[in-house]
Amino acid sequence: SQQGEEDPQALSIQEGENATMNCSYKTSINNLQWYRQNSGRGLVHLILIRSNEREKHSGRLRVTLDTSKKSSSLLITASRAADTASYFCATDAINAGKSTFGDGTTLTVKP
Amino acid sequence: GAVVSQHPSWVICKSGTSVKIECRSLDFQATTMFWYRQFPKKSLMLMATSNEGSKATYEQGVEKDKFLINHASLTLSTLTVTSAHPEDSSFYICSARDYVGNFGNIQYFGAGTRLSVL
Repeated sequence: SQQGEEDPQALSIQEGENATMNCSYKTSINNLQWYRQNSGRGLVHLILIRSNEREKHSGRLRVTLDTSKKSSSLLITASRAADTASYFCATDAINAGKSTFGDGTTLTVKP
Repeated sequence: GAVVSQHPSWVICKSGTSVKIECRSLDFQATTMFWYRQFPKKSLMLMATSNEGSKATYEQGVEKDKFLINHASLTLSTLTVTSAHPEDSSFYICSARDYVGNFGNIQYFGAGTRLSVL
């Protein structure tokens, strides 16, 4: 399996609920990033967490990083219909020269 | 965050013609840019890494003579799909890499180009 795998593949929730997505990776990293992609659009950078950080917040987003388990999670609190999108994690592995993307989690927030 | 501009956002062309897609980093210099292809409901497929002033590095299975990449300046990379065919129809996305210090790099993405080959 590849670096940066998201789980679940798809998630459907009601507006106002929280959404949690997970990402696992295999090698040592410099940082891990989360992106959002709306249908037919490019990827929007949401948040970057460095390898020496364990948790980071940005508005309704909360990202955790556990380097011992090689995993990260993205929590979106009080979700809105506008949060409906695909979410990708990407790892900047040490000496890799490029970020590696997972297959993404498709989030649907029902109004 | 940094801005990457990709143009055009949508192009329709006839089979056999060539199409050029531009990717510009607007507020930072990018020695490295990347070109991806994305199929419906799929993840990004890296096609090639574009390095300023040198030849692009293509991923396995990507035809370098069909997908010509030029990275002539620190803010511009272009992808030319030569002699396009219907099977080249796809969503192409570029990204530019920015160095964020001791903790590596971050990639900023363009809005993508939808190519339809008739």
